[in-house]
Amino acid sequence: KQEVTQIPAALSVPEGENLVLNCSFTDSAIYNLQWFRQDPGKGLTSLLLIQSSQREQTSGRLNASLDKSSGRSTLYIAASQPGDSATYLCAPDYGNQFYFGTGTSLTVIP
Amino acid sequence: GAVVSQHPSRVICKSGTSVKIECRSLDFQATTMFWYRQFPKQSLMLMATSNEGSKATYEQGVEKDKFLINHASLTLSTLTVTSAHPEDSSFYICSAKPGTANSPLHFGNGTRLTVT
Repeated sequence: KQEVTQIPAALSVPEGENLVLNCSFTDSAIYNLQWFRQDPGKGLTSLLLIQSSQREQTSGRLNASLDKSSGRSTLYIAASQPGDSATYLCAPDYGNQFYFGTGTSLTVIP
Repeated sequence: GAVVSQHPSRVICKSGTSVKIECRSLDFQATTMFWYRQFPKQSLMLMATSNEGSKATYEQGVEKDKFLINHASLTLSTLTVTSAHPEDSSFYICSAKPGTANSPLHFGNGTRLTVT
């Protein structure tokens, strides 16, 4: 069974800090990897999709990198804001088979 | 952007009754839809994968006769929890994926089911 690990499990930072969330997966044979955020009691919002052939993808203050061979991805959030507080999940895609980590719960303190 | 609508957002039902949850892709055709269950402070657990016009593929340990999935069109999938029991109380989330290769996964806002 595929395993997805996210570190740290929880993170609390003051507003304005840059931060990095880590995702590792046991099987590197992915098609792509997606990062999501989940607000309490809500579904998931797609943040970035990075193809297996790409090294990174950017959207606004978010930058996702992918090292497929080592089974790692990172999500970099620049200049964090209180509105970024949420749980962040990564999900590698093995061809219509998505596996989720337990997420990183982020709190940005005003 | 792509939108997935899930309804209802909350439902309370009595033990023994059945509950239907709908998942619609509003602006794209979803050849594949996924149903997840999420317990508090835990990640998403995939229950089943459904492809339009064919039977759903259930994950190990998920009772297909209890969680009926129908994917009759390219924009609608339904999950029916039959003869619900309190242990079925959970947060159920659907997601949908367009047919193009390497397209992203889009999620509904989830359904909070409480069985009394």
